[in-house]
Amino acid sequence: DTEVTQTPKHLVMGMTNKKSLKCEQHMGHRAMYWYKQKAKKPPELMFVYSYEKLSINESVPSRFSPECPNSSLLNLHLHALQPEDSALYLCASSQGPTGNVQETQYFGPGTRLLVL
Amino acid sequence: TQLLEQSPQFLSIQEGENLTVYCNSSSVFSSLQWYRQEPGEGPVLLVTVVTGGEVKKLKRLTFQFGDARKDSSLHITAAQPGDTGLYLCARRISGTYKYIFGTGTRLKVLA
Repeated sequence: DTEVTQTPKHLVMGMTNKKSLKCEQHMGHRAMYWYKQKAKKPPELMFVYSYEKLSINESVPSRFSPECPNSSLLNLHLHALQPEDSALYLCASSQGPTGNVQETQYFGPGTRLLVL
Repeated sequence: TQLLEQSPQFLSIQEGENLTVYCNSSSVFSSLQWYRQEPGEGPVLLVTVVTGGEVKKLKRLTFQFGDARKDSSLHITAAQPGDTGLYLCARRISGTYKYIFGTGTRLKVLA
């Protein structure tokens, strides 16, 4: 099973709202990722958690707040977003050891976010 | 540079035609992934190539990793409308969890 699940599939929120995106995997992967993808562009890395600790933050604005409650779950808390934050938000996971050349990411279906 | 350049950026072909997509870098990489992404969905892994010169086949798709491990190609034989999508190559920066994606090739196969 190489499934990564994400909820919700679609989300519409106002600029004053607080919402959360959720991601789950049961492959025993130890690295989990959040990406942002604009239309017709490749995914852009936002955050990486490895072994439940924040490993990479790609200078993401503080209105995006990641959380990794356990090795299977990854959340992205959203607050005071701007219309330009509207995008497809993708979660991914990978096995974890960086020395493994076969290390591969598996993506969830994404959450399409619209900020009004 | 660790950029991955893909070509062509966009391709529109008729059903039954063959095509090749390229992924190039000036850096050597230890492995490379190819993904296909449909609109509004997440990228779906097609293959990981690891060994220089390696060729992998997935039905009508043939993936090749360059001998010097700086480039890769994806060849589709007898394209079908179901092959339509965004094709992305990606590589991991060694020793990190950071992945770099190619610029993407948008393929449209017309029935």
